[in-house]
Amino acid sequence: DIQMTQSPSSLSASVGDRVTITCRASQSISSYLNWYQQKPWKAPKLLISAASSLQSGVPSRFSGSGSGTDFTLTISSLQPEDVATYYCQQSYSTPLTFGGGTEVEIK
Amino acid sequence: EVQLVESGGGLVQPGGSLTLSCAASGFTFSSYAMSWVRQAPGKGLEWVSGISGSAGSTYYADSVKGRFTISRDNSKNTLYLQMNSLRAEDTAVYYCTKGTLGARASVRLSGEDWGQGTLVTVSS
Repeated sequence: DIQMTQSPSSLSASVGDRVTITCRASQSISSYLNWYQQKPWKAPKLLISAASSLQSGVPSRFSGSGSGTDFTLTISSLQPEDVATYYCQQSYSTPLTFGGGTEVEIK
Repeated sequence: EVQLVESGGGLVQPGGSLTLSCAASGFTFSSYAMSWVRQAPGKGLEWVSGISGSAGSTYYADSVKGRFTISRDNSKNTLYLQMNSLRAEDTAVYYCTKGTLGARASVRLSGEDWGQGTLVTVSS
């Protein structure tokens, strides 16, 4: 199975800050990488697919990059509504696997 | 608008069985792969099982293989998860997810849309 490692596990940043979350795969997954946002007590929401393709309706301050084993989710200007846990997921092969999550809070 | 509504969760004793259902609407159900993803209390996400649009292919996480069975009824726009030999570690919120369109089976299993989840508690 492909292991997905996210870092950091949590972060605290100020409104307007640039925030970066990284995700590393245990083997190359090309660009088969999704990012999800989960707010407290809510179902996850797909933000980015195929490493960098922003889903419809997702604010442009979110962006994704990377290929192979190393990927990044960036929030260019953190907003209060971005408080959530973010997960990466590989869709290269089954079983699909998620990273451990990154909790983002406002300082 | 895509709607996924899970049902069937509840309290069950270790070793017991439970069947989850997911009623889908707002899209052509038979055209999309579907998956179940779970989240134990206070923990991260775990993909559990997936099924192709035609139901010709099924996929399972090692943690549930041989105990859980995924199926679908395209005439009823409904996805199922039959869970047997339940263990305490199966306690979680179970989400039904609609897949995406793609050339690769694993891509098609990715959760583009999610239901609100149903809680399964395995305890004596």
